[in-house]
Amino acid sequence: EAQVTQNPRYLITVTGKKLTVTCSQNMNHEYMSWYRQDPGLGLRQIYYSMNVEVTDKGDVPEGYKVSRKEKRNFPLILESPSPNQTSLYFCASRENSAEGYEQYFGPGTRLTVT
Amino acid sequence: SQQGEEDPQALSIQEGENATMNCSYKTSINNLQWYRQNSGRGLVHLILIRSNEREKHSGRLRVTLDTSKKSSSLLITASRAADTASYFCATERRGSNYKLTFGKGTLLTVNP
Repeated sequence: EAQVTQNPRYLITVTGKKLTVTCSQNMNHEYMSWYRQDPGLGLRQIYYSMNVEVTDKGDVPEGYKVSRKEKRNFPLILESPSPNQTSLYFCASRENSAEGYEQYFGPGTRLTVT
Repeated sequence: SQQGEEDPQALSIQEGENATMNCSYKTSINNLQWYRQNSGRGLVHLILIRSNEREKHSGRLRVTLDTSKKSSSLLITASRAADTASYFCATERRGSNYKLTFGKGTLLTVNP
């Protein structure tokens, strides 16, 4: 089954404690992306990757890092989480083509930083 | 910045009725997509319409796109209680490296 998986699904942590949210897709997609969803603000892109070793900032990259060492995985790293990073996070992937293709979203990771 | 703006913000209808949601956007797009999200869960892709298309159907869904007005509509016919969810339009702009810019969504409630 084609899918994007994220782990963990729920996480409560404290300010400053480094954490990683993993994302993996099994569709051999070159393009992957991270979004955060906040009430009243909708979904906003954090970082994206066009291919292995190619990453770039989205609209709200501050406080986040990503890496793309292999095609299927695109982890999101919060080196020093702060309460304003409390949010619902989604990983997505799609084919890397000029044609319009849907994006596949993971189930989401609900992060609370206290 | 948010490109898509859905209207209305919330919609409540009875089962069997049709539901229409609208989306407006600001810049040129490659395509426009509609997604559904059940409360706090992942987004499910519903339908994609390219900038050179005007109308598309998928089951009970009908999407229109008017690039001259920079607007789209999603029609769900013969709604069911299971259609209760938030619906988002998302635009993929030219030169955006496939970034989807989402609206804030329409919360649809279908009452049995």
